Amino acid sequence: DQQVKQNSPSLSVQEGRISILNCDYTNSMFDYFLWYKKYPAEGPTFLISISSIKDKNEDGRFTVFLNKSAKHLSLHIVPSQPGDSAVYFCAASAYGDMRFGAGTRLTVKP
Amino acid sequence: DAGVIQSPRHEVTEMGQEVTLRCKPISGHNSLFWYRQTMMRGLELLIYFNNNVPIDDSGMPEDRFSAKMPNASFSTLKIQPSEPRDSAVYFCASHWGGGTGELFFGEGSRLTVL
Repeated sequence: DQQVKQNSPSLSVQEGRISILNCDYTNSMFDYFLWYKKYPAEGPTFLISISSIKDKNEDGRFTVFLNKSAKHLSLHIVPSQPGDSAVYFCAASAYGDMRFGAGTRLTVKP
Repeated sequence: DAGVIQSPRHEVTEMGQEVTLRCKPISGHNSLFWYRQTMMRGLELLIYFNNNVPIDDSGMPEDRFSAKMPNASFSTLKIQPSEPRDSAVYFCASHWGGGTGELFFGEGSRLTVL
């Protein structure tokens, strides 16, 4: 039962443009949402998070938007850089556990 | 500071053999998670512990899988007997329970069962 879904397995954008990664969830009890970034042969690393009481959180080039009514969140990266090329995982937390989506592979072309 | 340490980094074994993966969480962290990464399902939560106690093991695929956390600084994930479909990268992660609860991951153990 996939409670967190990332329906786009891959995304390719041009350097300098905006990258938008999407995530949907089914469990209304989730109270924190997070994005992780993963390079090959490494473990995922935390990127940015948002509480369920907010609808936007910004950190430099990264902004996460939360639409609770639609059970949808998105990660915006602007401007995108080649070093942003990685797999991005959406995650959601409730009562201490953490569920992840299947990931989206972002490729930023120079 | 040392991060989450997993061993072995790579394991190749034959079907039917026992496999034991090990994890040392970050000191002071009170929650530990085991995940399995596959192409189809991404990062699947297998089990997580809070203060060394298993809280949710509903993600453990079969009775062939077992996990223990005998103390705050060590956990094992065991597969017995192993099967080719168990081939994946297994990640251990920990967090200290506060803030947004972001997890700190190890580098993973890549398991190949022939």
